[in-house]
Amino acid sequence: NAGVTQTPKFQVLKTGQSMTLQCAQDMNHEYMSWYRQDPGMGLRLIHYSVGAGITDQGEVPNGYNVSRSTTEDFPLRLLSAAPSQTSVYFCASSLSAGGETQYFGPGTRLLVL
Amino acid sequence: AQTVTQSQPEMSVQEAETVTLSCTYDTSESNYYLFWYKQPPSRQMILVIRQEAYKQQNATENRFSVNFQKAAKSFSLKISDSQLGDTAMYFCAFMKGRYGGSQGNLIFGKGTKLSVKP
Repeated sequence: NAGVTQTPKFQVLKTGQSMTLQCAQDMNHEYMSWYRQDPGMGLRLIHYSVGAGITDQGEVPNGYNVSRSTTEDFPLRLLSAAPSQTSVYFCASSLSAGGETQYFGPGTRLLVL
Repeated sequence: AQTVTQSQPEMSVQEAETVTLSCTYDTSESNYYLFWYKQPPSRQMILVIRQEAYKQQNATENRFSVNFQKAAKSFSLKISDSQLGDTAMYFCAFMKGRYGGSQGNLIFGKGTKLSVKP
């Protein structure tokens, strides 16, 4: 198993550009989520999904879109990048919601100029 | 809303010694889970230990153990025989139980940076 994979590893964007961060898992996990990590802030939840076709907002959803058409993939879209979205983004997955251990991808570092 | 507090931004320990990282949380839930994650310089988030709130027995995983005090809402991590490879950021995290709503979502503390010195 590859576990949770994320692409790209690093990306530079200009303000106003859009992009999609990819996340995939091969463990047949129902639950997937996106977090962002900023210095001194820990990790904060952006969006999550409890199964294909079902998504919901987390703590900091503004400026981000998600969809989940398959169990394996959970892409995160930045609609119009802003410098405040400069961060490290982590995707995570677990077998189901409610107590299961979440497994994290390696992260994507995003710099918005 | 749940909150997780790690009061020690940085700590250091000598190799082979024991260190304890503190974590407190606030919740009105009775069913929940607590986690410690390690983030080494590689940035990968690695699960260290998981505790189910309804279990009174403290979880252990090799050199890592927790002191879970449910009434005090405290969840500290003890690392015994510290090794250079334990140098990392350590995050405490809270998750509601299966029927708690927003299930599956982790709420993280701000982390403790641990340095193990030779």
